[in-house]
Amino acid sequence: DTAVSQTPKYLVTQMGNDKSIKCEQNLGHDTMYWYKQDSKKFLKIMFSYNNKELIINETVPNRFSPKSPDKAHLNLHINSLELGDSAVYFCASSLSTVQETQYFGPGTRLLVL
Amino acid sequence: SQKIEQNSEALNIQEGKTATLTCNYTNYSPAYLQWYRQDPGRGPVFLLLIRENEKEKRKERLKVTFDTTLKQSLFHITASQPADSATYLCALVTNDYKLSFGAGTTVTVRA
Repeated sequence: DTAVSQTPKYLVTQMGNDKSIKCEQNLGHDTMYWYKQDSKKFLKIMFSYNNKELIINETVPNRFSPKSPDKAHLNLHINSLELGDSAVYFCASSLSTVQETQYFGPGTRLLVL
Repeated sequence: SQKIEQNSEALNIQEGKTATLTCNYTNYSPAYLQWYRQDPGRGPVFLLLIRENEKEKRKERLKVTFDTTLKQSLFHITASQPADSATYLCALVTNDYKLSFGAGTTVTVRA
């Protein structure tokens, strides 16, 4: 059974489009995260939700909007995509707070043309 | 500003040898430190967590040390195998309760 899953795995789109990435975890965790990994492989936190409530909101353009319909799901919607948004986006979850071990999804490779 | 540095981008070693990776941090007082492994095209996978009051932690062929005076953690892979080839990331919880990652060290083990 996949613990943290993301869809789609690959996303190729034109500049200016709006796209969504979905994440689901079946671990019963309370906290979920979105990370961005750029071309230099540097992994950076974007958002975190604890039990559907936003608890971390990094300095991210407001074209990025996370949504957590329930504690097992965290989606990421991106409006007006730009070339610089091209990266790998990872969803992760942890049992409760950020101090716990994080379990990562397989990543969504976004390429904006 | 707070920084995490893994001071080797790449490490090439012969099978059977010990790989030693370094993670240095500045302007943090982390209660613990984590190490993750990332294979190409995959998400990071948790390996080990070491707390500030622990000097050393082991898991099979992996060993982690944590020196809060030097602000450094060392990660050792003993009797390395080609299957150990991957990128290894250290991570700390920063003062604002976020998990921050180093840039990673890519280890290649030659048969």
